[in-house]
Amino acid sequence: DTAVSQTPKYLVTQMGNDKSIKCEQNLGHDTMYWYKQDSKKFLKIMFSYNNKELIINETVPNRFSPKSPDKAHLNLHINSLELGDSAVYFCASTEGGYGYTFGSGTRLTVV
Amino acid sequence: GQQLNQSPQSMFIQEGEDVSMNCTSSSIFNTWLWYKQDPGEGPVLLIALYKAGELTSNGRLTAQFGITRKDSFLNISASIPSDVGIYFCAGQRSGGYNKLIFGAGTRLAVHP
Repeated sequence: DTAVSQTPKYLVTQMGNDKSIKCEQNLGHDTMYWYKQDSKKFLKIMFSYNNKELIINETVPNRFSPKSPDKAHLNLHINSLELGDSAVYFCASTEGGYGYTFGSGTRLTVV
Repeated sequence: GQQLNQSPQSMFIQEGEDVSMNCTSSSIFNTWLWYKQDPGEGPVLLIALYKAGELTSNGRLTAQFGITRKDSFLNISASIPSDVGIYFCAGQRSGGYNKLIFGAGTRLAVHP
């Protein structure tokens, strides 16, 4: 049973489209995150939700909108996709900020 | 923004050799973490360090939390081919929900 699962694993789309990535965790954790890994493998946090409440919002274009329907799910919606959005997006979860567990990533390619 | 300086950037070693990598920061962290990332997968936690000076082992891996709280190192002894991957250090400040700040990664290649 996968602890943190993301869908889809691969996403290829054209510039200007709107797309969503979904994340679910079955660890009972109270906090979920989105991280972005660029082409040089650098990982940087984007958002964090604790019990459906946004607690971290880094400097991310407002084309990116996270949504947490419940504490086990955190989705990422991206509007008007740009070439520079191509990256691997990782979902993660923790209990109170500790015990980070990452999903296997969604590789987004914008063409 | 805040970054960790991780070195070396990459290493090419022979199977059986020991490996050492480290991370430094200009500011203090309360937690240091070491992750490994295999191709097509997410980072997997190897070792977590919570106290300055702490030395922790996980099999052939040993990591230390620097006394100044501004650095950490990871050693891998007697490397094997499956040690290949990217190793990341990450720092976390005090408090529950704080983000992880990652180093740029050390790419390890092990030749049989």
